Amino acid sequence: GQQVMQIPQYQHVQEGEDFTTYCNSSTTLSNIQWYKQRPGGHPVFLIQLVKSGEVKKQKRLTFQFGEAKKNSSLHITATQTTDVGTYFCHNAGGTSYGKLTFGQGTILTVHP
Amino acid sequence: DSGVTQTPKHLITATGQRVTLRCSPRSGDLSVYWYQQSLDQGLQFLIQYYNGEERAKGNILERFSAQQFPDLHSELNLSSLELGDSALYFCASAAGSGSTEAFFGQGTRLTVV
Repeated sequence: GQQVMQIPQYQHVQEGEDFTTYCNSSTTLSNIQWYKQRPGGHPVFLIQLVKSGEVKKQKRLTFQFGEAKKNSSLHITATQTTDVGTYFCHNAGGTSYGKLTFGQGTILTVHP
Repeated sequence: DSGVTQTPKHLITATGQRVTLRCSPRSGDLSVYWYQQSLDQGLQFLIQYYNGEERAKGNILERFSAQQFPDLHSELNLSSLELGDSALYFCASAAGSGSTEAFFGQGTRLTVV
């Protein structure tokens, strides 16, 4: 299937700082889903991006799909301790259809 | 609450044994996915069923098998257990197969001793 690489693998920030994680592919992606897993919890769906250049916002979270549909980003403004967790992207559709596979994700730590 | 129910929540068993993990999907969802998550590891996709049929296979060991029943609940069978099989096993359900959002259960923590 189409593999996506997520960077960085780890990110430590001070509370109040911004945070961005990137999901990159060498091939065109069908659509991108983002999930968050809190420590000790289960993954929770955040959003799906479908269109080239699409930008969606959820409070302090901004999700973007690249113009060429080869990358996506999740940006958190003014992080809070509740943002701690692992953020996964998933290439939904295309040759990944049905597999719902995830990369290693980005583990975010927020220091108060 | 995601609406996906996994039982049991915790399971401790000895090496060489066989266990069955159960997943009840959200009402109306036809897809069930199974994952293995070891300590500090990502989510390893094992297998997907859609409306009773196997739809996609990931890195599932031959010692593991799954099925989805007519009422759409699913079971993951793990046999000849090894210490390395200790992990958190998640199931997720989705309305469709592929690009629809998935809802995860709370997981079953399996400890093999």
